[in-house]
Amino acid sequence: DTGVSQDPRHKITKRGQNVTFRCDPISEHNRLYWYRQTLGQGPEFLTYFQNEAQLEKSRLLSDRFSAERPKGSFSTLEIQRTEQGDSAMYLCASSLAGGFNEKLFFGSGTQLSVL
Amino acid sequence: DQQVKQNSPSLSVQEGRISILNCDYTNSMFDYFLWYKKYPAEGPTFLISISSIKDKNEDGRFTVFLNKSAKHLSLHIVPSQPGDSAVYFCAASGSSGTYKYIFGTGTRLKVLA
Repeated sequence: DTGVSQDPRHKITKRGQNVTFRCDPISEHNRLYWYRQTLGQGPEFLTYFQNEAQLEKSRLLSDRFSAERPKGSFSTLEIQRTEQGDSAMYLCASSLAGGFNEKLFFGSGTQLSVL
Repeated sequence: DQQVKQNSPSLSVQEGRISILNCDYTNSMFDYFLWYKKYPAEGPTFLISISSIKDKNEDGRFTVFLNKSAKHLSLHIVPSQPGDSAVYFCAASGSSGTYKYIFGTGTRLKVLA
């Protein structure tokens, strides 16, 4: 059983650099979500895809953030010109659309530290 | 605005006793609720869910109760075990129009042996 896989697990970067994270969802799942979590907070919604279509983006997501899901399989999240405030755990989750039975399955996350 | 609130940041319970974790929401469009457990350095794992057509759902030691009029849900764990020590998040979603899940800030449960 391959769960949601995220790469890398940890990323340290300098302010102003660009970073890209990858998420491989559970293969039959058609929805893919990105969340961000900081210490003492719950996961904060960033964006989600159904197949390859990006259906919603958080209004908190600045223009420096972009996500893609080509061909409806894996997804990438890019942060341009990173700032110290971007330091957080970035979580990816996937699900199979199914109304009240839908469950999100999360990966282990990518911990980003911006110096 | 925090649409899903967990007002107790931490809770300590003796092993074998009941743990009750609470969650309040403000958006009346939410009709599906989930509880997740999170260990350090891992992603959240699904525990149990409930739809708004029910007021209770049970799965083994875990029971979730939903009070729609009060916009309140609770997770009961009985009996509590040391392995239950983790951070618990409630999440809510509206099935019409948007499928994003809004999470609370979490409650850290410590089960004492």
